Amino acid sequence: AQSVSQHNHHVILSEAASLELGCNYSYGGTVNLFWYVQYPGQHLQLLLKYFSGDPLVKGIKGFEAEFIKSKFSFNLRKPSVQWSDTAEYFCAVNVHNAGNMLTFGGGTRLMVKP
Amino acid sequence: EPEVTQTPSHQVTQMGQEVILRCVPISNHLYFYWYRQILGQKVEFLVSFYNNEISEKSEIFDDQFSVERPDGSNFTLKIRSTKLEDSAMYFCASREDGAGANVLTFGAGSRLTVL
Repeated sequence: AQSVSQHNHHVILSEAASLELGCNYSYGGTVNLFWYVQYPGQHLQLLLKYFSGDPLVKGIKGFEAEFIKSKFSFNLRKPSVQWSDTAEYFCAVNVHNAGNMLTFGGGTRLMVKP
Repeated sequence: EPEVTQTPSHQVTQMGQEVILRCVPISNHLYFYWYRQILGQKVEFLVSFYNNEISEKSEIFDDQFSVERPDGSNFTLKIRSTKLEDSAMYFCASREDGAGANVLTFGAGSRLTVL
């Protein structure tokens, strides 16, 4: 079974700092990759997704992620964070054409100080 | 923007009681899901539902759990006899059928506290 690891559990940054959140998965086949964000008190929202094609994907709110197949990674980046980016970020994997289940990482709680 | 709505937002119950969590998926979506997140732990898959039957379920989804879509709009998760360890946030999600349809839309969650 696939698994997803997010190595940073808590990240604290000042506004305008650059962000990179790590995500690694374990599965040798073709996967679909996602980053979801959960703002305080709100539901999980899709930030971006990768199914195929250009491994650098751009999402909402200035986020991007790069799929590096050789490293089984899908790290999330943003060049300059804002206070409003304070949230919990979840990486998730779905095995391509193998059912509906999303496997989530443990989440990274980001706090941006104004 | 279409939303998945969940009720109640928070429920407190005594151990052993039955609980029903309700979800209204997005109207043209055909696949429905329940996930849960125990405080401080990962979001875990419970069950997926398509064409009025369970399509996948995890080890967590034992005989105490059941799902149904009684009226074509609501999608419910029932826990027959709650245990302390069922305390968690339960998320409903739905997705449409078709190409590129692996994107789930999640509800805001129902927090269940079992005392």
